[in-house]
Amino acid sequence: QVQLVESGGGVVQPGRSLRLSCAASGFTFSSYGMHWVRQAPGKGLDWVAVISYDGSNKYYADSVKGRFTISRDKSKNTLYLQMNSLRAEDTAVYYCGKDRYRSVLDWIDPWGQGTLVTVSS
Amino acid sequence: QSVLTQPPSASGTPGQRVTISCSGSSSNIGSNTVNWYQQLPGTAPKLLIYGNNQRPSGVPDRFSGSKSGTSASLAISGLQSEDEADYYCAAWDDSLNGHVFGGGTKLTVL
Repeated sequence: QVQLVESGGGVVQPGRSLRLSCAASGFTFSSYGMHWVRQAPGKGLDWVAVISYDGSNKYYADSVKGRFTISRDKSKNTLYLQMNSLRAEDTAVYYCGKDRYRSVLDWIDPWGQGTLVTVSS
Repeated sequence: QSVLTQPPSASGTPGQRVTISCSGSSSNIGSNTVNWYQQLPGTAPKLLIYGNNQRPSGVPDRFSGSKSGTSASLAISGLQSEDEADYYCAAWDDSLNGHVFGGGTKLTVL
């Protein structure tokens, strides 16, 4: 079955960097767009970024543009989110999710279990 | 505030039918399909409705979705206690070139 497992979260100081990973299994990773979505404590869902199945197209939320970079490694079936210049408002649980076949603008299914990022001094 | 507008809360008694609205604009709901996600307490979100009105396998037919113009709705009939959760609508936005979510609706089963 399809499985997505995020890792790399933790406590980081403002202004520092962190890289999240999402290990994918149970499907042909190189055929699907992949998303990052975050959820601040007690708040709603906030879409972060998406990368196309072949990595050629990437889209970002305005709030992270220029600071975060989404990428993927098909040899490792892994999705990444490089987060630089972190701010307190980036504190959230970060989820990865799979889009429809060869799409980036359809639906997210399934979602991983999430990894918590806390930005604090 | 969120690009898509949902009521923050909704409630109903067991067996009742409830609807949750989602309002957007021509650049998102008006030109793309709407999806709904269910988030049970303490868990990751789960796809509930895709493509405006399609149910993934395993989702009971008590859940249904619809779309008209720049608005969409999620209906839950035969409300059950296990339906108590947060519900989010979402769509691609052509102007923002990204996905947008509603602020979420907390459903309480009285």
